[in-house]
Amino acid sequence: GAVVSQHPSRVICKSGTSVKIECRSLDFQATTMFWYRQFPKQSLMLMATSNEGSKATYEQGVEKDKFLINHASLTLSTLTVTSAHPEDSSFYICSARDLSGSSTDTQYFGPGTRLTVL
Amino acid sequence: GQNIDQPTEMTATEGAIVQINCTYQTSGFNGLFWYQQHAGEAPTFLSYNVLDGLEEKGRFSSFLSRSKGYSYLLLKELQMKDSASYLCAPYTGGFKTIFGAGTRLFVKA
Repeated sequence: GAVVSQHPSRVICKSGTSVKIECRSLDFQATTMFWYRQFPKQSLMLMATSNEGSKATYEQGVEKDKFLINHASLTLSTLTVTSAHPEDSSFYICSARDLSGSSTDTQYFGPGTRLTVL
Repeated sequence: GQNIDQPTEMTATEGAIVQINCTYQTSGFNGLFWYQQHAGEAPTFLSYNVLDGLEEKGRFSSFLSRSKGYSYLLLKELQMKDSASYLCAPYTGGFKTIFGAGTRLFVKA
């Protein structure tokens, strides 16, 4: 199956700093990538949809100036958490759609990035 | 609005069969995913149903009724490693996948 990588897998930072998370589709082209956030024992909450070459579409309640998304190529999307605060501590997961013509049209997930803001 | 309802927790015995139900109401519907998620890990794909009916894939089967807004995941011959959360996720219009809160399955010996 298709592989999606995320880097870093774990990051600890001080309050007020910015953190960049990378999401890459390794063996397929992903015109659309998605960023989710998951708090402990809760569901994945969609933050934004990232489209290659255009601005990301943010879900209601997600601050676009705080969570900057860039999808510069068909295999890379980045999420930057700006001026991070302890309440931003969470598990961030990206996913990518493989639209190569497969009838399954599956959404593949990266391994996630655990962010801890001190 | 969007609403996905599945049981919070279930417990079953190793070797048994368990059915995890999911009902959903979404604005737009193209199909339904089931994902498995172990604690601290990202979800892994189990199944995707577009048409009504049952699709079997090894020990796991998934059923969909579009008219009823209902799906279930059936796990047979349960193993201890099947202890995980199972996420019901409708694929709605606009290429979005919306996740339910998940059902935590505990498999006991």
